[in-house]
This record gives sequence, C-alpha cells and structure tokens, in this order.
Amino acid sequence: DQQVKQNSPSLSVQEGRISILNCDYTNSMFDYFLWYKKYPAEGPTFLISISSIKDKNEDGRFTVFLNKSAKHLSLHIVPSQPGDSAVYFCAASGADRDDKIIFGKGTRLHILP
Amino acid sequence: EAGVTQSPTHLIKTRGQQATLRCSPISGHTSVYWYQQALGLGLQFLLWYDEGEERNRGNFPPRFSGRQFPNYSSELNVNALELEDSALYLCASSLSPTGRVYEQYFGPGTRLTVT
Repeated sequence: DQQVKQNSPSLSVQEGRISILNCDYTNSMFDYFLWYKKYPAEGPTFLISISSIKDKNEDGRFTVFLNKSAKHLSLHIVPSQPGDSAVYFCAASGADRDDKIIFGKGTRLHILP
Repeated sequence: EAGVTQSPTHLIKTRGQQATLRCSPISGHTSVYWYQQALGLGLQFLLWYDEGEERNRGNFPPRFSGRQFPNYSSELNVNALELEDSALYLCASSLSPTGRVYEQYFGPGTRLTVT
C-alpha cells in the first residue's frame, strides 16, 4: 500500500521556466511533509518542508503548496536551473514522535537548456 | 562539520551470506535511520534507532536487523541474503525529534550487490 505517491516518474522542463512536481498521499494522519533532492551517487538532501497547519511554504526559488482536502502537495521551482536536474522525493510523517517518514518513489526532473 | 558517513561504499555478497553495513551520524545527532532504495521502488524505511533503542521498523523480514552503539553509530545486518536484497542502503541521522525538526541528513549510501 503506497501511502505517498509520485505519479510522474520523470519531468522535463525548459531552463528558466517553472517546474511543478506533484505528490499525493492517502493517510489523513500525516502531519508533516518534506521534499528531498537526490543527485546520482549521493544521498538525498533535505529541500523544504511544510506542516499541515500551513498551505504554503517558500524558500528562495522553492515553494511547497499543501492542499489537505485533496491530500495533495506540490513543489514549485521558479526559475528552473540546470543544477535542479535531480530526483525529487516527496515524504510525509505523522504527528507522533515515533512516526516514521514515508517516501514516494521519486520524480526525475530534467532541466533542458 | 562532517556529514553522515557510511561504509563500505560497495559490497558484493553471494546468496545466503550475511552483510554488515555501517553508519556514523553527524556529531550531535542521536537518531539514525536506515532505508533501502531498490530499483524502481524508491526509498523504503527499514529501521530507526534513537538513543540506542529501536524506535520503529519498516515492513521488512527479521533477517534485517541492526543496532546503535553508545557513540550513536549504527550497524545494519542482513542475514541469509537474497538476490532481491540488492539495493542502495541509505543511512540518515537527525537530532532527536523534539518539536518539529524532522530533517534527516543522509549519507552517500552503501551499494549492496547479491549474486
């Protein structure tokens, strides 16, 4: 049972345009959502997070939007840069201190020159 | 500040053998997490250790086990290796989750190949 779903395995976006990565979840008990970025041969690095009490969090070029009623979150990257080419993982966790983080399968983002 | 380190980088074993993977967390971090990234399956949670105790466990058979040492480093042991255990094993660390700090810092991983 996949609780965190990233339905697009890959996405190609022109440099300078907006990249939008989507993520859906099924567990309404999830309380905290995170995005990680992963380059080949490296571990994932934390990018941005959002608590369920918010619907938007912005950090520089990265903005995460949360729609709790739709159980959907998205990561917007504006403007997209070549160094943004990587695999992006959406992750979610419950409010309990012992809740594990559940990751999606990832979306590979290609930024085209 | 040194990041999360893992050893070895690559490990090749045959079916039925045992594998031991090691992880050193960032200094000051007391929680260590293990994940498996098998081809096409994304990151799957394996184990979580906090202050030397197992906090949570993913849906993996008991032949996947581990421990956390007093210096907060950790070992992942995989017994009776099967071909489908071939994957990248990632270790992450974080400050004990007090409040809302969930960010996990990942190591580069150990690539385990079972032949």
